Amino acid sequence: EIVLTQSPGTLSLSPGERATLSCRASQTVSSNYLAWYQQKPGQAPRLLIYGASSRATGIPDRFSGSGSGTDFTLSISRLEPEDFAVYYCQQYGSSPPFTFGPGTKVDVK
Amino acid sequence: EVQLVESGGGLVKPGGSLRLSCAASGFTFSGYTMNWVRQAPGKGLEWVSSITSSSSYIHYADSVKGRFTISRDNAKNSLYLQMNSLRAEDTAVYYCAREWGLLLPYFDYWGQGTLVTVSS
Repeated sequence: EIVLTQSPGTLSLSPGERATLSCRASQTVSSNYLAWYQQKPGQAPRLLIYGASSRATGIPDRFSGSGSGTDFTLSISRLEPEDFAVYYCQQYGSSPPFTFGPGTKVDVK
Repeated sequence: EVQLVESGGGLVKPGGSLRLSCAASGFTFSGYTMNWVRQAPGKGLEWVSSITSSSSYIHYADSVKGRFTISRDNAKNSLYLQMNSLRAEDTAVYYCAREWGLLLPYFDYWGQGTLVTVSS
């Protein structure tokens, strides 16, 4: 089983600042099957990034993903008020096919 | 517009059973693999189970294997999760999620979730 570790656990920033979130896998993520989701309180997760670096439909270009192998990053260039949320990475592999990281909370400083 | 609407959650005693449903609309349900993902209160996301479009392949997380059964009815555009031998640790919001595609193993649409509480 591939275990995903996210850091930091909480990121305290101000609107307009840049956010950098890390997701590290215990083994190589095959074919860069790595996604990022945003979840706000009381809402379902929303797909932001897939294939490590491609933005999903309707996602603003201030969100970007990078990385390969075992190290991945989600960057938010300039935080908007609506970006304060919890972010999860997810990988696709085998047995189990899907695992999620524990999440990074981005909150207002 | 793609919509996934879960139902069937509630309070159940340990050892009890519950059947969740997910009604899909706005897309060709029979063409997609569907999944259940759960989230315990205040915790992260945990994938539970998946079923391919024609029900040919089914997978479960080890934590629910032997207790939960996923199924679908393409004629009714519906996904189900039969949960037996429920435990306190099964308490969570259960989301129905669409898997984008064969080479796109990501969850592109989610329902609003249904809360299952296992408690005596």
